[in-house]
Amino acid sequence: DQQVKQNSPSLSVQEGRISILNCDYTNSMFDYFLWYKKYPAEGPTFLISISSIKDKNEDGRFTVFLNKSAKHLSLHIVPSQPGDSAVYFCAASAIGSQGNLIFGKGTKLSVKP
Amino acid sequence: SQTIHQWPATLVQPVGSPLSLECTVEGTSNPNLYWYRQAAGRGLQLLFYSVGIGQISSEVPQNLSASRPQDRQFILSSKKLLLSDSGFYLCAYSSDSNNQPQHFGDGTRLSIL
Repeated sequence: DQQVKQNSPSLSVQEGRISILNCDYTNSMFDYFLWYKKYPAEGPTFLISISSIKDKNEDGRFTVFLNKSAKHLSLHIVPSQPGDSAVYFCAASAIGSQGNLIFGKGTKLSVKP
Repeated sequence: SQTIHQWPATLVQPVGSPLSLECTVEGTSNPNLYWYRQAAGRGLQLLFYSVGIGQISSEVPQNLSASRPQDRQFILSSKKLLLSDSGFYLCAYSSDSNNQPQHFGDGTRLSIL
């Protein structure tokens, strides 16, 4: 049973436009959510996170939104750049889990010039 | 600054051979340490985590084991590799505080022949 779901395996966006990556979760004990970016043959790179006490966190071109009632979070990238092309993973950890992360299967973002 | 080193980058091993992958962290004390595996086309699966020297927790039953002989050293091992052990292995660390992101090494691509 997947606790963290990324239902879109891929997304294609034009350079300069907004990229919206979505993630749904089922475990109501999750209290910390993260987004990672991964290039082939490299480890994931931490992008941005949000605690369950917030509904929005912004860092430069990246904004994460959390809707706890819908158990949904999203990552917005504005404006999108070709260098943003990568696989994006959503992850979550639960209270008392020693920070163990549950990952989604990832969404491959392609930003076209 | 904090860094994480993981080696080797790639490894080809015959079925039935032993395995030892090493991960070391610099610039932080008493980190939480993690081993993940990413199988082809799938997300990251947590294999082991450690909150201190000699303390290992396993998330899934498997053919692998982990050890933490020093504070900032985490080793993934197997006595006899199986074909199903092929994959991309990632080591990660986080501080021992709540709600801290994990930071990943560059991974080891393991191919079993």
